[in-house]
Formats: sequence, C-alpha cells, structure tokens
Amino acid sequence: EVQLLESGGGLVQPGGSLRLSCAASGFTFSSYAMYWVRQAPGKGLEWVSAISQSGGKIYYTDSVKGRFIISRDNSKNTLYLQMNSLGAEDTAIYYCAKDLSRFLEWLPMDVWGQGTTITVSS
Amino acid sequence: IVMTQSPATLSVSPGERATLSCRASQRVSSKLAWYQQKPGQAPRLLVYDASTRAAGVPARFGGSGSGTEFTLTISSLQSEDFAVYYCQQYNDWPRTFGQGTKVEFK
Repeated sequence: EVQLLESGGGLVQPGGSLRLSCAASGFTFSSYAMYWVRQAPGKGLEWVSAISQSGGKIYYTDSVKGRFIISRDNSKNTLYLQMNSLGAEDTAIYYCAKDLSRFLEWLPMDVWGQGTTITVSS
Repeated sequence: IVMTQSPATLSVSPGERATLSCRASQRVSSKLAWYQQKPGQAPRLLVYDASTRAAGVPARFGGSGSGTEFTLTISSLQSEDFAVYYCQQYNDWPRTFGQGTKVEFK
C-alpha cells in the first residue's frame, strides 16, 4: 500500500524553525517528484513546494521563498521541509504528496499523507 | 496564475446534478486537476488533464474544458459526495489552487 507519513509538527514561536519529515512506503520513492501543500485553519489548499526525483529541480511559492527549503533523501525514502523565520501566517496543516507520474514530467498529486500541524504562536 | 472557482457554495439534493466551475487567469492548456476534500481528511485526486478520471474515481465525476475555463460535473450526487472541491493548475510554477467550492446538502 502506498503511504506517506508526515512528522515534525508542533508549536513554535514566531521567528523559530522547524523541520518536517515525510516517510514514504509502498512505492519507489526515487522515481517520483514530491510536494508539500498546506492548509491554514478553515481555509483552502495552498501549494508550497516541489522537488524532482533527483532533487535537481526545486520550486517554491513566493510566500516561502528564502525561508523554506525542500529536500529529499532517496536512500531513506524521506522528504523534508526545513522551515525558518516562521510567522503566524505559516500556521497550517502541512501535507506531503507524491506526483502521479513516475516519468520525467510533472503531473498533479495522487497520494497524500494525513498531514502534520504547525502552530506558530508565542 | 490565479484560479477562481464558482460558486463558493453549491446546495444540491442527492440524485441531482452538480456543476462546478474553475477559471484560470491565464491559459493552462489542459493541465488542470480537481480534488475532493472531506472534513478532517487529506485531499483526494479526482480528475487530471482536465478530463481524465484518476484511478478508482466513479464515472459520475466528469471533467471538461481547456485553456481558461473548466468544469467538474457530478452527474447524480451521492451522500458521500458532499465535500469541498478544489481545482489546481499544473501548467506553470508556482502551482495554484482555486479557493474551493463546498457542495452541501440542500
């Protein structure tokens, strides 16, 4: 069974840092691009970041550029999101998701984790 | 690319047809996906490439459109279809979602 399990969420003070992890199983992790998507309380979905199969191509939404870093360790089947300079606007559920395609193309996200919650508050 | 969904809320009775719209601020070809999200759950991919149903998605879900105008149609609403639906473009970076359409029980 294809599974994604996020961890690393919690309460963090404004200006603080946090690293999220997403453990993948049930598929060949290194063959798929991966994503982070977030959802603020009571709000819609916001795409955050993407990383290609090898990690050679990386993309961010404007609001996190320079603060968040996406990475992956294909030997550990794990996706990461390092989040720095956190503000209240980063409070959300963070989902990791895999790309639909295992080829060198970008398609939408077909499998999602259950999410991990980040709360930025003093 | 800004994605705009309408209506914000759609009140439908079971068995009725539901039509959801999504408009892109720029042309996205057919690189448009639809997701369903139920309370407390992660989103689920329903449709990609504007009209291709994802694996396991019932045939009552149909997508259409290209360029800037897209539609998700649920032909006969079932009780399990009451949820929030999001469109998402994947033609350009950053990827962007619409604000969602809530399909509620009439």
